[in-house]
Amino acid sequence: DTGVSQDPRHKITKRGQNVTFRCDPISEHNRLYWYRQTLGQGPEFLTYFQNEAQLEKSRLLSDRFSAERPKGSFSTLEIQRTEQGDSAMYLCASSSGHINEKLFFGSGTQLSVL
Amino acid sequence: AQKVTQAQTEISVVEKEDVTLDCVYETRDTTYYLFWYKQPPSGELVFLIRRNSFDEQNEISGRYSWNFQKSTSSFNFTITASQVVDSAVYFCALSVLNQGGKLIFGQGTELSVKP
Repeated sequence: DTGVSQDPRHKITKRGQNVTFRCDPISEHNRLYWYRQTLGQGPEFLTYFQNEAQLEKSRLLSDRFSAERPKGSFSTLEIQRTEQGDSAMYLCASSSGHINEKLFFGSGTQLSVL
Repeated sequence: AQKVTQAQTEISVVEKEDVTLDCVYETRDTTYYLFWYKQPPSGELVFLIRRNSFDEQNEISGRYSWNFQKSTSSFNFTITASQVVDSAVYFCALSVLNQGGKLIFGQGTELSVKP
């Protein structure tokens, strides 16, 4: 079990630029989740995948955000035309899909939009 | 809609003191799961415990214990004889059946244990 890995750990970008983050879940896990966490707050759900299918998207996920999991393995989260309000920690988590089991989280990607 | 409230934003204790972190949840579902996670300064969320709504037995694991009371919709977490390594942000979370296993988190309680 190598854990959930996220890349990059930190990303600094200028307002208006596009950014893409990658998440590699635990290999046998078929569910993958994206969360956003701002300073002093708990993680907020953004979206999740069952294999390659994106099954739910939060209202927090504006049309500037898109997530993919093309082969049911790794996932990418892209933010287009970044805004300063997008600055946050983006967390990825995975699970094997058993009923409401625990999620395994990665260390996150810290995004700073200048 | 579901909600988790952790009213204590920050707690500071001296090493060896006992400390209780409060968690209150809201849901209309009868089947749900409650979790606690620890987030040390490194940032990675570490799983501590998962309980389902049909099991109200309290649980103890070493210095950690959890008190689940459906009557008050609470799932409190106690650390006995706290240590400096317990310093972290602790999150309570809720997951309901048939919603893809997603977790709804509280705002977190930052625990600082001083030597």
